[in-house]
Amino acid sequence: KNEVEQSPQNLTAQEGEFITINCSYSVGISALHWLQQHPGGGIVSLFMLSSGKKKHGRLIATINIQEKHSSLHITASHPRDSAVYICAVADMDSNYQLIWGAGTKLIIKP
Amino acid sequence: ETGVTQTPRHLVMGMTNKKSLKCEQHLGHNAMYWYKQSAKKPLELMFVYSLEERVENNSVPSRFSPECPNSSHLFLHLHTLQPEDSALYLCASSQDRANEKLFFGSGTQLSVL
Repeated sequence: KNEVEQSPQNLTAQEGEFITINCSYSVGISALHWLQQHPGGGIVSLFMLSSGKKKHGRLIATINIQEKHSSLHITASHPRDSAVYICAVADMDSNYQLIWGAGTKLIIKP
Repeated sequence: ETGVTQTPRHLVMGMTNKKSLKCEQHLGHNAMYWYKQSAKKPLELMFVYSLEERVENNSVPSRFSPECPNSSHLFLHLHTLQPEDSALYLCASSQDRANEKLFFGSGTQLSVL
């Protein structure tokens, strides 16, 4: 079993729909990252959180430390949101190791 | 633009070639990372440098050789690679640790023939 599990693996939705991507982990962490990767490779950090909730534009990230679970929400989704969304956790026993999820491929159709 | 620049963007090399990947950041960060991303697999951490000292080396074959001449530059020297080394190689930086915001370069798509 992977230490970081993302669901779903693939998600196709219509423009305007509310999107939720989930991340569950099994290790102790000091922080959790949500990142976005567009075709062509570049990865952009969306959020880094260790508790509660963060919001940036149409994106919202939440984390429940007790349940070892995080969600990434996209409101009013748009075709430009189509990308791979990756969850990664910072292992609390290491200063530099991140444990990476496999990613969720999101396609938003116009 | 993330502030981390990688060159080249694409590289095709034979198994007997020697090439180098370059990463540059002017964000004032102290930690720099090399990651490998193979198709349909999670990112794999290869090397970490903190203040120009290697602090992590995740059982990477010796045909990959990192170099960090100063806090702004990171290289990955490649020699006698295998076809299974074909992947996207990503450089990243953070202020000090992995529980801080990460900044990634655009990656080098490497093909080994």
